[in-house]
Amino acid sequence: NAGVTQTPKFQVLKTGQSMTLQCAQDMNHEYMSWYRQDPGMGLRLIHYSVGAGITDQGEVPNGYNVSRSTTEDFPLRLLSAAPSQTSVYFCASKAGSAYNSPLHFGNGTRLTVT
Amino acid sequence: AQSVSQHNHHVILSEAASLELGCNYSYGGTVNLFWYVQYPGQHLQLLLKYFSGDPLVKGIKGFEAEFIKSKFSFNLRKPSVQWSDTAEYFCAVNARGDTGRRALTFGSGTRLQVQP
Repeated sequence: NAGVTQTPKFQVLKTGQSMTLQCAQDMNHEYMSWYRQDPGMGLRLIHYSVGAGITDQGEVPNGYNVSRSTTEDFPLRLLSAAPSQTSVYFCASKAGSAYNSPLHFGNGTRLTVT
Repeated sequence: AQSVSQHNHHVILSEAASLELGCNYSYGGTVNLFWYVQYPGQHLQLLLKYFSGDPLVKGIKGFEAEFIKSKFSFNLRKPSVQWSDTAEYFCAVNARGDTGRRALTFGSGTRLQVQP
């Protein structure tokens, strides 16, 4: 049972480059989300989706785009990378939108923007 | 603005010592509370959660947490830590924010280092 799978694990970009972080889950979860983790700041929500075709902004959405064409996949796009986007990115999913459902996290993508 | 505070950023304990990590939040109304743990090089995993009922909740690996509504706190405890408990611990609160929508907010994390 793979759970939440993120690729790549590591990525180095130059300022201005674009890229897509991939996230896939095989648990048929309706809710998927992207967080970034920065030292001393915990996890901050970037974007989330409550189902295929539905996305919404989180706390720190600027510079990122998402789409949800299928239940399984929720890619995160960096349109023009900036050094401030150097971070560890986690994708997470949960069953339904119930507030008491715990999140299932992927292993993370460590992104460095030079 | 609503927030989740973890005042202990880095805690160093010897094996068998008791642990208490603080978590305070500023939300009113109904809250759902979580503690997640991130072991070195791994993703976050759920440790325990509180929704309603008994304010003392027990989680995996001997951890427990107590919800004290009057103090807006959800502190994590373990009577006797082990070297394998070395990890980063995150408190998270699901509550209704200023926009009226519910959201899950994480604290900044506490890094626990257990020395053998």
